[in-house]
Amino acid sequence: TQLLEQSPQFLSIQEGENLTVYCNSSSVFSSLQWYRQEPGEGPVLLVTVVTGGEVKKLKRLTFQFGDARKDSSLHITAAQPGDTGLYLCAGASGGGYALNFGKGTSLLVTP
Amino acid sequence: NAGVTQTPKFQVLKTGQSMTLQCAQDMNHNSMYWYRQDPGMGLRLIYYSASEGTTDKGEVPNGYNVSRLNKREFSLRLESAAPSQTSVYFCASSEPPGYYEQYFGPGTRLTVT
Repeated sequence: TQLLEQSPQFLSIQEGENLTVYCNSSSVFSSLQWYRQEPGEGPVLLVTVVTGGEVKKLKRLTFQFGDARKDSSLHITAAQPGDTGLYLCAGASGGGYALNFGKGTSLLVTP
Repeated sequence: NAGVTQTPKFQVLKTGQSMTLQCAQDMNHNSMYWYRQDPGMGLRLIYYSASEGTTDKGEVPNGYNVSRLNKREFSLRLESAAPSQTSVYFCASSEPPGYYEQYFGPGTRLTVT
């Protein structure tokens, strides 16, 4: 199993602050995905990054895939209470069907 | 278009009882997956089915069996439930080839006493 380490594990911030969440591994992935999970629900895909160095933006969320395709980051600008949830990164390696999930970063944004 | 549906949403079992968790998807995906999610452990793959007629073990298959009934349906069976199987179970589906994006159901919260 290729491990994905997420940091921080927990993050509590106030509305309007910026934050960055990290996803690191010693393994190379063919693609990496970010999911958000709200309490009582299943994870929902936010973005997939494929190319080393790739940057994708989704409104106030910016995702980056490391040049070596071993790590990724998620940056949220001006966080809102609606951003509260568990953020999971997941890596895919070529030739397999299974994803390796990190343990997640639990984000709480208070008004 | 319901996506991925799971039944039941909640279940309480006594040690030794058996049950089957049901999952269905209407996206015509070939691949389906069963995960369990425990506090501090993230999502761990139990079994997956790359295509209709095939199933493979994931990271934590012990104590579980699966059946890919048809392209739409993938069930997870606990033959003799144990307290260690208390968890939230998620079913997911995806369409390879591609980038393995997975679409998840709402989960089944199982408690074994």
